Amino acid sequence: EVQLVESGGGLVQTGGSLILSCAVSGFTFSGSTIHWVRQASGKGLEWVGRIQRKTKNYATAYAASVKGRFTVSRDDSANTAYLQMNSLKIEDTAVYYCMGYYYDSGDYPIPLRFWGQGTLVTVSS
Amino acid sequence: DIVMTQSPDSLAVSLGERATINCKSSQSVLYSSNNRNYVAWYQQKPGQPPKLLIYWASIRDSGVPDRFSGSGSGTDFTLTISSLQAEDVAVYYCHHYYNTPLHFGQGTKLEIK
Repeated sequence: EVQLVESGGGLVQTGGSLILSCAVSGFTFSGSTIHWVRQASGKGLEWVGRIQRKTKNYATAYAASVKGRFTVSRDDSANTAYLQMNSLKIEDTAVYYCMGYYYDSGDYPIPLRFWGQGTLVTVSS
Repeated sequence: DIVMTQSPDSLAVSLGERATINCKSSQSVLYSSNNRNYVAWYQQKPGQPPKLLIYWASIRDSGVPDRFSGSGSGTDFTLTISSLQAEDVAVYYCHHYYNTPLHFGQGTKLEIK
């Protein structure tokens, strides 16, 4: 069964840093693209960033709201993706989810059925 | 950036009746190489992560009841629940994965009338 488990959330002051982890099992992690999505309390889903597969040179992309502050990385040997968050702001407070896409025989993306349960990041002043 | 806009923001439907949620993208999300629309629909219940219902606009994910269906192409998409069940009360999101930045619609809250 596919599982994604986020960890690393917590309470941090504005300007601080945090590293989130997304541990994956049940599918070929190295062949997937991993994304981070966040959700503030009572709000909708906001895409944060992604890291592609090795065959796509581990290319990263970020939402404008986090570009320059957040970094997505991955360790295929550990089946884990990471979200390094620096210079945290009050508005970064949210539940952070990891989700992903695998690829069909034509190398076209299919969303993974499951997301992680999320990890809560609270930024306070 | 491709922006997804859902309508309505909330919807109340009687049990057994049809529920329809619309989603419009600001640009086409039809990928010419495979003639597929890079749109997914998710269901989110309180305290839970989103659950995939539909991908490529109309492909129902494994295990999703067949009362859920997706349709549309280009810029206009629809999620239909043919006969609403009590367990379908949730917030529904459309989502494009055509390119980055990915974007989710603002969500549609579905309730029982």
